[in-house]
Parts: sequence; C-alpha cells; structure tokens
Amino acid sequence: LAKTTQPISMDSYEGQEVNITCSHNNIATNDYITWYQQFPSQGPRFIIQGYKTKVTNEVASLFIPADRKSSTLSLPRVSLSDTAVYYCLVAQGKGGKLIFGQGTELSVKP
Amino acid sequence: NAGVTQTPKFQVLKTGQSMTLQCAQDMNHEYMSWYRQDPGMGLRLIHYSVGAGITDQGEVPNGYNVSRSTTEDFPLRLLSAAPSQTSVYFCASSKSTDLAGGLTGELFFGEGSRLTVL
Repeated sequence: LAKTTQPISMDSYEGQEVNITCSHNNIATNDYITWYQQFPSQGPRFIIQGYKTKVTNEVASLFIPADRKSSTLSLPRVSLSDTAVYYCLVAQGKGGKLIFGQGTELSVKP
Repeated sequence: NAGVTQTPKFQVLKTGQSMTLQCAQDMNHEYMSWYRQDPGMGLRLIHYSVGAGITDQGEVPNGYNVSRSTTEDFPLRLLSAAPSQTSVYFCASSKSTDLAGGLTGELFFGEGSRLTVL
C-alpha cells in the first residue's frame, strides 16, 4: 500500500496561494492521487484527482511530477472558508483498501 | 439525489450494548467502506466492500462486523460496545474506476454518525 506523508499543519493569509505537498514514495503504476477537504463535523469532500502531470478544476490545481512520488495541491487565493483539513489519498487500483494519511490542517488568517 | 445516507446521526450507548449503524447509497456504487475518526485525528478504515456479498477488513476491524447483501446498503455492527469505540463514523462509496476496473479513489462520504459509549 502506498503510504502518504503530509505536513501536519500550515498557516496562510487570505488572498495567498497555498501549496500542500504529499509524499507517496511507493506509489504503484496504476494508483491515482486524490485530494479531499474536510470541515469540522462533516465528511471529507472530493477536491481533485490526477494520475500524472497537471490537473486543474474550478477549485484547485494538482501537480504531479514525472516520477509520481509526490503531488502538490495548489489552492489559489485562499479565503477564510478554506480553513479545513486536507487529505491526499493514493488509491490502490483493484485492492480496495483506501487508507488515508493524517492530513494537513490549513489555517487561513485575515 | 440523496447520495450516501447514514443513520443515526447521534447515538449514546452503554458499555456492552450492541447496535447497527446504517449506510445506504443510491448511486449504484459497487464500492462501500466505513471509517472512524477520533477527535483531532485522521480517518481509519474499518471494513470495506467491493461489491454485494464481498467484504474485507481495513486497518481497525476488531469489534466491528459488516455484511453486504445488496449494492445499496452496508451496515456496520457493534456487537458489544466499548468506550474505545467512541468516535465519529463515516460511510463512503465509490464507483469511479480506471480502465482496468480498479478504484481511482473518488469517494463520496456520508455526513457521519457520532457515537458515544459510556
């Protein structure tokens, strides 16, 4: 199983770009990388998913280098409402055992 | 579209009591799973199912049973509740697969069930 490592916490200010990097050194060939956002007392919510290179949607961008041993979630111009815990998940293809890491607690200040 | 529905949202049990947390999804997802989340901690996988009739253990399966008789439902049973099982429980489902039929990891979560065992 691909184990993920993220910073425990990050601080930012409104309007800044935030980059959260996740390390997954033993990612397998068929594994996808998915990022989730979780607010207190709510279930995690899907943000973005990628396999290689760069993916962008209306919320975030995901950068994956060629060796795929890490990935970076980029949140442009964060606001106070982006304060949450962010998890990266590496899916194990047909295995079914989707293990989350500890997540990164992002605090956005005014 | 209801998505993933968990019941009950809140439950208080006494040590030794049994109960079932219900999870239902209306998205025709083959994959379903249960996670627990302790205060200030991450999500830990309890059990998962890749389809009706198939279940498997996650990271922390002890003290919990599951069954998957239909695609829609995936109940989690606590046979003899213990204070260590006080937690928030999340059910999740997924259909998203790659070309080989493997999971890509796009999970849909329920709102959670908060369980307190006294």
